[in-house]
Amino acid sequence: KAGVTQTPRYLIKTRGQQVTLSCSPISGHRSVSWYQQTPGQGLQFLFEYFSETQRNKGNFPGRFSGRQFSNSRSEMNVSTLELGDSALYLCASSLLEPNTEAFFGQGTRLTVV
Amino acid sequence: QKEVEQDPGPLSVPEGAIVSLNCTYSNSAFQYFMWYRQYSRKGPELLMYTYSSGNKEDGRFTAQVDKSSKYISLFIRDSQPSDSATYLCAMRAAGNKLTFGGGTRVLVKP
Repeated sequence: KAGVTQTPRYLIKTRGQQVTLSCSPISGHRSVSWYQQTPGQGLQFLFEYFSETQRNKGNFPGRFSGRQFSNSRSEMNVSTLELGDSALYLCASSLLEPNTEAFFGQGTRLTVV
Repeated sequence: QKEVEQDPGPLSVPEGAIVSLNCTYSNSAFQYFMWYRQYSRKGPELLMYTYSSGNKEDGRFTAQVDKSSKYISLFIRDSQPSDSATYLCAMRAAGNKLTFGGGTRVLVKP
């Protein structure tokens, strides 16, 4: 059974650009959540989707946005990139309601220069 | 004060020893508790999932939840060098976001 797939694995962008990251959940999973991981702040919650509806949102600026499609795949977008956005972005999927086990992908490592 | 506190370590143990990890939390609404293992430059891997209080065992891993003390633990028996990683606790209230501890770095020395 395939796990959570995140693409791309690595990305280098310039300040001011925008970026779109993709997450394909485990087959049959309907909930997807996104996290930012940095050495200083640890894992911080960005947002969570269930059946295309955003259920929860973290304390990030509006430059961070996301969506979920009818096939449960999800994308997150960061506009006007800043140096501080350099991080590992992780996606997790859950089978049904977000309260069930969350399984993570390998992440997308974003470097902003 | 953070909602979930976890000692960052590093915790160094000899091979074969029991690794004891724990987290404390302040939100009494937390009901779902998870432990993850994360190797360098990889995504977190789910080890244990527990609902409410009690113990759960899976192979060499035992998770304990004490909601009255707002304290959760993970024990790893017969530790191996391959267990060297960062261990993250995570928890959530029903319908709310998953909140992580900062992680404990564990080193198992051969």
